[in-house]
Amino acid sequence: DTEVTQTPKHLVMGMTNKKSLKCEQHMGHRAMYWYKQKAKKPPELMFVYSYEKLSINESVPSRFSPECPNSSLLNLHLHALQPEDSALYLCASSLREGNSPLHFGNGTRLTVT
Amino acid sequence: AQTVTQSQPEMSVQEAETVTLSCTYDTSESDYYLFWYKQPPSRQMILVIRQEAYKQQNATENRFSVNFQKAAKSFSLKISDSQLGDAAMYFCAYKVGGGADGLTFGKGTHLIIQP
Repeated sequence: DTEVTQTPKHLVMGMTNKKSLKCEQHMGHRAMYWYKQKAKKPPELMFVYSYEKLSINESVPSRFSPECPNSSLLNLHLHALQPEDSALYLCASSLREGNSPLHFGNGTRLTVT
Repeated sequence: AQTVTQSQPEMSVQEAETVTLSCTYDTSESDYYLFWYKQPPSRQMILVIRQEAYKQQNATENRFSVNFQKAAKSFSLKISDSQLGDAAMYFCAYKVGGGADGLTFGKGTHLIIQP
C-alpha cells in the first residue's frame, strides 16, 4: 500500500485540453515533489514545494502549473501539452530534514495525443 | 552540480545467489545522503536502503546492504539470497543535506532474477 495517493492512474488528453493531476499524503510531510519519468529513464525533478511554497522549479515549461492548496495536497495543472510530454508523472513527499527519504506515489501515466 | 553514475544498465543473477549493483557519485558537498530505490513493473518507487554520508558504518536492511566508500565516492548495493520479487529497476539516488532539494537519480540498473 502506498501512503502517497495519485489520481488518476491513467490520463489521455488532447493537445488543447486542460486537465489536472492530483496527489495526496497524510503523513505530515511538509515537502512535496513532482517528477517526470520517461520510459527506461530515471525520474527528473520538476517542482518542489516546501511548507506549501514553491521552492524549486527546474525550468519547467509554463504549460505545467503546480499548486499546493494545503500541506496534504499537491496538484499539477496541464494545458496545451505536447506529445513529448507523455510520461509517467510521480508525486513524492518527505519530511524537510535532509536524511528523510522521499515517499512516492504510484504515478499517473499521461498520454498526450 | 551533483551527478550519480550507474555503469551497469542490466544485471542478471540466479535465484538465491548474491549480486552487487554499482553506483558512483560526484559532489562537492560535505553533508549529503544516499539512497537505493527499486521500481518494479508496478512502477512505484520503493525505498530499499539509505546511508548518511557522515556515518562510516555501512547500512543494512535484511538481505540488502551497502558498501559505502566515501573517499572513492562509491555506494554499491549488495542483494543476498536473491528472490524473484527482487526483479526491478534499481536507482541510486543522492540528496544534499539541509532541506528539501529532491533526489538526483542515476540512470538505473535493470535487475533480472533467473529462476
